[in-house]
Amino acid sequence: DVVMTQSPLSLSVSLGQPASISCRSSQSLVYSDGNTYLIWFQQRPGQSPRRLIYKVSDRDSGVPDRFSGSGSGTDFTLKISRVEAEDVGIYYCMQGTHWPPTFGQGTKVEIK
Amino acid sequence: EVQLVESGGGLVQPGGSLRLSCAASGFTFSSYWMSWVRQAPGKGLEWVATIKQDGNEKYYVDSVKGRFTISRDNAKYSLSLQMDSLRAEDTAVYYCSRGSSWHVEYWGQGTLVTVSS
Repeated sequence: DVVMTQSPLSLSVSLGQPASISCRSSQSLVYSDGNTYLIWFQQRPGQSPRRLIYKVSDRDSGVPDRFSGSGSGTDFTLKISRVEAEDVGIYYCMQGTHWPPTFGQGTKVEIK
Repeated sequence: EVQLVESGGGLVQPGGSLRLSCAASGFTFSSYWMSWVRQAPGKGLEWVATIKQDGNEKYYVDSVKGRFTISRDNAKYSLSLQMDSLRAEDTAVYYCSRGSSWHVEYWGQGTLVTVSS
């Protein structure tokens, strides 16, 4: 199975400051159709996961533009340009290129 | 508005069975792959199973293969997960989600399955 490794596992950020989460895969996530199926989810406390970013950098409708995704191959990043209180939660990357789909361990974001 | 509502969770003894259901609304159910994903208490996420729009293709993670069966009823906008030979390590919140591994998008609120004697 493809191993997804996130870092850091915990992040304490002041309001209005940027945050960055890294996600690395043990194999290239480029699929045979040329797409890279790397997704970012946000899970707020007590809630189910919410998709933020798909195919590395495509932002879902309704997701604030302070969230952005980047990367290629095996190395990916989720950035929050200015952290707000509602961004508290756990962020997961997930690869959908190879079966079975696998998730990173999660990165807990809290406000300093 | 897309809605996915899971039901059927509960406490079951090791070796027992449970059937989860997911009622979908707000979209054309028969047009989408559907999946189940689980999350053990306080832990991360694990993919469980995926089913194609017409139900003719089904995929399972190795840890549940041969024990779990995913199915769907497009006329009733319903997704199911039959879980047999349950183990303690199957204890988790089970989420119904719209989409395949490539495009998983919406998630339900989840239903808790506890396997314990």
